[in-house]
This record gives sequence, C-alpha cells and structure tokens, in this order.
Amino acid sequence: AQTVTQSQPEMSVQEAETVTLSCTYDTSESDYYLFWYKQPPSRQMILVIRQEAYKQQNATENRFSVNFQKAAKSFSLKISDSQLGDAAMYFCAYRNWPEKLVFGKGTKLTVNP
Amino acid sequence: DAMVIQNPRYQVTQFGKPVTLSCSQTLNHNVMYWYQQKSSQAPKLLFHYYDKDFNNEADTPDNFQSRRPNTSFCFLDIRSPGLGDAAMYLCATSSAGNYNEQFFGPGTRLTVL
Repeated sequence: AQTVTQSQPEMSVQEAETVTLSCTYDTSESDYYLFWYKQPPSRQMILVIRQEAYKQQNATENRFSVNFQKAAKSFSLKISDSQLGDAAMYFCAYRNWPEKLVFGKGTKLTVNP
Repeated sequence: DAMVIQNPRYQVTQFGKPVTLSCSQTLNHNVMYWYQQKSSQAPKLLFHYYDKDFNNEADTPDNFQSRRPNTSFCFLDIRSPGLGDAAMYLCATSSAGNYNEQFFGPGTRLTVL
C-alpha cells in the first residue's frame, strides 16, 4: 500500500521569507500524481499545486513550487515570499488508480509577522 | 460559483442516535467522497462513489453508510454514533481521472454527547 510521510508536524516562517515543507512517499507504481493541499483554520481544503510523476519538470504556481525527486520519492513544497494568509495545515497527497488520495499527516505552518 | 456544499456545518447528536450529513455539488462531478478528519490528523477516506458505483474502504466501520440518490447529492448516515465518531466530516468531488483535483466542501463538525 502507498504511504505518504510528512516528517515536520510544525513549521514556522517569517513573513516575506521562504519555507520548504517536506514530503516523502512510498509506492511501487511508476505513474501517479502528487498534490499539496492547504487547509486554513476553519476553512475548506484547497489545492495548492500538483505534479505528474512522468514529468521531470517541477510544477510552479506563483509563489509555490515543488522539488520532485522521483528516484528518492520526495516531493517538497517551497513557499516563497511567505504571507500571513499562507498560515494553514499543509497536506501532501498521492494519487493513482482508483481515484483515491492518500494523505500525509500534515504540517502546520505558522507565519510570523 | 460552482461549489461543494455541506449541511449542516455543525451537528450535535446523542450517543446511539442516528444522524445524517448531507453534501451537494454544482460541479457535475461524477466522483464523490466522504472523509473523516479527527483533530490534527489527515483526512481518512471512508468511501466514494464513482457515478452510482459505491466503493467502501476496507476499514470503514459498518456503522457508516452512504447514499447517492443522484449526481448532485450524497449522504453520510451514521447509524449509531459513538463518542469516537466525533470528528469533522469532509465531502469532496472530482471528475474522473487521477490528474484531476478533488474539490472539498467546508465540512460538518459532528459532536456526540
């Protein structure tokens, strides 16, 4: 069974600084998808960024980028120019057939003004 | 705006008293999911519907049932809630395809007295 590990239960960053959240996963599949979801306090979970395993190029969405290392089964999220609104739980997730997401335990990010 | 709606947002029930949580979507997605999320934990998939096909997770207790009368609506029934069932229940939808993101509702916070 696939597993997703987020080794940092909590992280903090100063506003405008850069922070990297770690994620590793275990799978025997070669084709799959990886996601980072953000869950702000008392608000719904939203997608931050996604990566297809067959693509070598790292995904980027504005201030959010990933470092995808397929051989190492690593999928870290970098947040540049951190903003107060980035404070949330961040979940790394793995997905392949059949349509299911496997989540890591999450990293709570605090942004200090 | 197209969205995933959950009602009620907060539900209080008594130990052993059946309760139903509802989810509706305006996205016309064919896949709908129910997750249980306990405090500071990752969402745990209970089951999902692919169109009308019901897919139960192996470790989902029999106490949890689901109905999907049409594309737009999906219900979670807890037949005899125990104290351990107190949690946030998240509904999510997706169009078929592992690349596609899941859209989450705001959740229903269930309290069992």
